This record gives sequence, C-alpha cells and structure tokens, in this order.
Amino acid sequence: EPEVTQTPSHQVTQMGQEVILRCVPISNHLYFYWYRQILGQKVEFLVSFYNNEISEKSEIFDDQFSVERPDGSNFTLKIRSTKLEDSAMYFCASAPRLGRGEETQYFGPGTRLLVL
Amino acid sequence: GQQVMQIPQYQHVQEGEDFTTYCNSSTTLSNIQWYKQRPGGHPVFLIQLVKSGEVKKQKRLTFQFGEAKKNSSLHITATQTTDVGTYFCAGHRSGGSYIPTFGRGTSLIVHP
Repeated sequence: EPEVTQTPSHQVTQMGQEVILRCVPISNHLYFYWYRQILGQKVEFLVSFYNNEISEKSEIFDDQFSVERPDGSNFTLKIRSTKLEDSAMYFCASAPRLGRGEETQYFGPGTRLLVL
Repeated sequence: GQQVMQIPQYQHVQEGEDFTTYCNSSTTLSNIQWYKQRPGGHPVFLIQLVKSGEVKKQKRLTFQFGEAKKNSSLHITATQTTDVGTYFCAGHRSGGSYIPTFGRGTSLIVHP
C-alpha cells in the first residue's frame, strides 16, 4: 500500500540553524500539508500546498518557514533560523484531491525535531 | 478563530467496557474527520462524516455527526487492548477553507 515517507526520522539542531525536513507524498496525490505536534499536545496545521503554491497557511507559518516542491516527488519544509519552541514532531500529509468526501489525508511517520 | 474542543482528555477503561469521546466546534463544520494515533506513531485516518446527523459504523466503532454539524462523537463498544491510543477529531470549517482544526485528542488507556 502506498505511503507517505519522511526523512530524517530525527533531527537535532542548534538554535539559529536552518533545517530542511523532507517528505515524499503518495505519488498520485495533489495536495500536500505540513503539521506539527508539540510533545503531548494536539496536531497543528502549518501549511497546505497545491499546484506548486501555498493554498493556505496558519499563524504559526511565519517568515521563518517555507515550503517547496523541488521536483516531482519531494515536498520540503524549511525552517530558516530555528528557535527552541520549534522543537516538535513535524508530520507531512498528502491527499488525492479536495472536494466533498475526498479530503482524506494520509500522514507520514513524522520527523522529530529537537532544537538545543 | 475556529476552536474544536474535545473531551475527555484521558479515559481509563477496563477491557470490555465502552468508551466515548466528544468533539464540539465553535463554528459550523463542512465535515469532520477522526484519526487514531498510537503511542509514538502518526495520525491514521479512520473516517469522515459530511452529512448532518450522519452515523457511520466500523466494526465496534460508531461515529456520529450532530444535526447542527457542530459536534461529533466516537463510541467504541467493548474496548480491546488494541484500541489504545489517542483519538483526534479534525473539523473543516464551512465556507471554503480547507484548514483542519484538530481537537486536542482523547487518550484511551485500556486495562486488561
């Protein structure tokens, strides 16, 4: 069964450093998402991406964040200058299409980011 | 902004007992989705409800969407140890936004 993959599974970085989290969505999916989950808390939406541009973003997704789909398969989240509070699990998700009954999102296993 | 409240935060049950978690939205939803997250795992889609008053069943799980499309529930009959995990609801606000708002989840602990 196709699945979303993410790399790395764990990332430790120093405050102020840039990190890039990578995702490979399911191949025939058109909509891509990034979420984060701070330890023990709820899942929070960061950004959605469709047709090579951001569709929607939350208040969390400020100028420090950017997303890119550099080729036909990868979908990346970049944090330019990490802060301690960026420590969280970051999930990528993809969906085949949007529309009534079609919003099912498939989550990847996540990247656990620790900022020291 | 939209808020989705989910209760209870934790629920301990003996194996075989029933379990229910509830979600309430501050705004009318176009649909609501339920996810299960095992400890250390990622959210896994369970089901989506779209219609007012909709009820769907998956084996021992029953999902309901309120008539006003502002609340939803997940009920598990005769829990098993494999049901352990955190159950999240996620609602999409009516009016075109596809940003899902997640509830904070209900962690189910099943004691054998």
